[in-house]
Amino acid sequence: GDSVTQMEGPVTLSEEAFLTINCTYTATGYPSLFWYVQYPGEGLQLLLKATKADDKGSNKGFEATYRKETTSFHLEKGSVQVSDSAVYFCALKITQGGSEKLVFGKGTKLTVNP
Amino acid sequence: DGGITQSPKYLFRKEGQNVTLSCEQNLNHDAMYWYRQDPGQGLRLIYYSQIVNDFQKGDIAEGYSVSREKKESFPLTVTSAQKNPTAFYLCASSIKWGYEQYFGPGTRLTVT
Repeated sequence: GDSVTQMEGPVTLSEEAFLTINCTYTATGYPSLFWYVQYPGEGLQLLLKATKADDKGSNKGFEATYRKETTSFHLEKGSVQVSDSAVYFCALKITQGGSEKLVFGKGTKLTVNP
Repeated sequence: DGGITQSPKYLFRKEGQNVTLSCEQNLNHDAMYWYRQDPGQGLRLIYYSQIVNDFQKGDIAEGYSVSREKKESFPLTVTSAQKNPTAFYLCASSIKWGYEQYFGPGTRLTVT
């Protein structure tokens, strides 16, 4: 079935370090791909998205490129801040038989230390 | 301000009791969703509603019930039949089914 696999956390970095959170997916068809962020005690917020192969989503210094050949959508940021500490979820949206749904990865917790 | 409200933030119940979680949105969105989040796991879809007076089961609907009598409200009842009800519950809405989902702040339910 359709699924999303994220690198397991937790990830701990120092401020200004480079961040990569790996995400690969399995899906039939051509899914849209998303990264959501969940700050402590809050709901999820959409961080960025890409709807077709080779699209790059970007927001707040984060980027991810939809790679169809490697079925990946890795999240990157060149210089993390303490305020980036959160849980990051990779997700795909599939459409099957007129029904659409989001499938989420398990989340990767990021802690950035000053 | 427009947004999604979930209340309360924390909820405690005894085993065997039904409990209803509130979700209200003033975004004029047609579609609403309920997810369950467990530690170290992604979100799993419980129920969704594409439009008022309509709702469908998601991936883990057993032990839950919903209603959608008003466009802005989509309450979730966790029944005593739900074997592991302790979790973080997230409500979301989107302008139409299949569009970007906006999430509420969540309700953490603890059943002892």
